[in-house]
Amino acid sequence: NAGVTQTPKFQVLKTGQSMTLQCAQDMNHEYMSWYRQDPGMGLRLIHYSVGAGITDQGEVPNGYNVSRSTTEDFPLRLLSAAPSQTSVYFCASSLGSGTLAKNIQYFGAGTRLSVL
Amino acid sequence: GQNIDQPTEMTATEGAIVQINCTYQTSGFNGLFWYQQHAGEAPTFLSYNVLDGLEEKGRFSSFLSRSKGYSYLLLKELQMKDSASYLCAVRPILTGGGNKLTFGTGTQLKVEL
Repeated sequence: NAGVTQTPKFQVLKTGQSMTLQCAQDMNHEYMSWYRQDPGMGLRLIHYSVGAGITDQGEVPNGYNVSRSTTEDFPLRLLSAAPSQTSVYFCASSLGSGTLAKNIQYFGAGTRLSVL
Repeated sequence: GQNIDQPTEMTATEGAIVQINCTYQTSGFNGLFWYQQHAGEAPTFLSYNVLDGLEEKGRFSSFLSRSKGYSYLLLKELQMKDSASYLCAVRPILTGGGNKLTFGTGTQLKVEL
């Protein structure tokens, strides 16, 4: 099983450029999330989705957009990249709500983004 | 909101036992998760606790005390491959927010010979 697939693995952008980080899962999970991980800050939630067509903001949503047109895909768009967005980005998915077992999050391998 | 504290670094010897603590202050609580993250890799799930007590999974055990806002991860018979960062994460009471987790900054464990 592929699990959660993120592309690209590495990306370098110039300030002001836009790009989309791709995330796809093949586990038929309802819930998907985007996190960023910075040294000393831990994982911080950017946006999340509880199902196709439904998205909401997390802790640090500014500068990012998401959409969820299908259950499988949850792309993250950087509208106008800034050096403060240099980070490692992780996409995660989980089965759904209810028992804690359904809330175990499975992470993609990450995208390492540098904004110059 | 949520506030989660973990030690930044720990060092232990191969074959020994190590306990990684996590304290949390939350406005609501609906479960605590532990993840392992090797350098340059994605976090992977280790265990979760929703009720007080000890959950054992092979060499790894996790304990929770909700009244004290305290959890620990116990690693037995340490191996070199256990060198990694261990992340504590709290799930708030559901308000329609599904799988929102708040993560601690992680404890970097180094296992030495």
